[in-house]
Amino acid sequence: DQQVKQNSPSLSVQEGRISILNCDYTNSMFDYFLWYKKYPAEGPTFLISISSIKDKNEDGRFTVFLNKSAKHLSLHIVPSQPGDSAVYFCAARYSGNTPLVFGKGTRLSVIA
Amino acid sequence: DTEVTQTPKHLVMGMTNKKSLKCEQHMGHRAMYWYKQKAKKPPELMFVYSYEKLSINESVPSRFSPECPNSSLLNLHLHALQPEDSALYLCASSQDTGPGLAGGRSYEQYFGPGTRLTVT
Repeated sequence: DQQVKQNSPSLSVQEGRISILNCDYTNSMFDYFLWYKKYPAEGPTFLISISSIKDKNEDGRFTVFLNKSAKHLSLHIVPSQPGDSAVYFCAARYSGNTPLVFGKGTRLSVIA
Repeated sequence: DTEVTQTPKHLVMGMTNKKSLKCEQHMGHRAMYWYKQKAKKPPELMFVYSYEKLSINESVPSRFSPECPNSSLLNLHLHALQPEDSALYLCASSQDTGPGLAGGRSYEQYFGPGTRLTVT
């Protein structure tokens, strides 16, 4: 029973264009969402997060959008760069002392 | 400094061996985590330590034994592992595990580079 779903296992985008990575969740009790980026043989790196009280958070080239009614969030990367090629994990948590729940990840390839 | 360090980077051990994985952070974080990650899968939580006390054990077999000697260090002691335990073991830390600061912020987890474990 997957509570956080990343339905696209992979995505290819041209350099300079926008990358949009999607994430859906089933549990309306989640109140905080995070995106992590992972290169092979390395640990995940925290990228950006959003609280459930917001619908958008922006940090440089990265913007996360949250649609609570649709239980959907997305990560936009613009412009995409070859160094953005990695696996991106969406994660969510409830309030209180609870661990992160991860999606299965989406492999992004940015083609020069 | 948002660095979590892990040693060793790679470890090969036999099923009768005893070894330990080490994790260290100097960010003043009071929560530390062990995750296990298999290829093409998301990280799976194993243990959570909060203020040096074990707060979550996700039904991990007793051949994995965590230890938190102080607020900066987290160990994972391994004994009598099976080949299916081969995986990337990730340590993470966060400021706390609690509900977060006022304004809706929460505590992001920062991951170490992992230890690639192979059990033969």
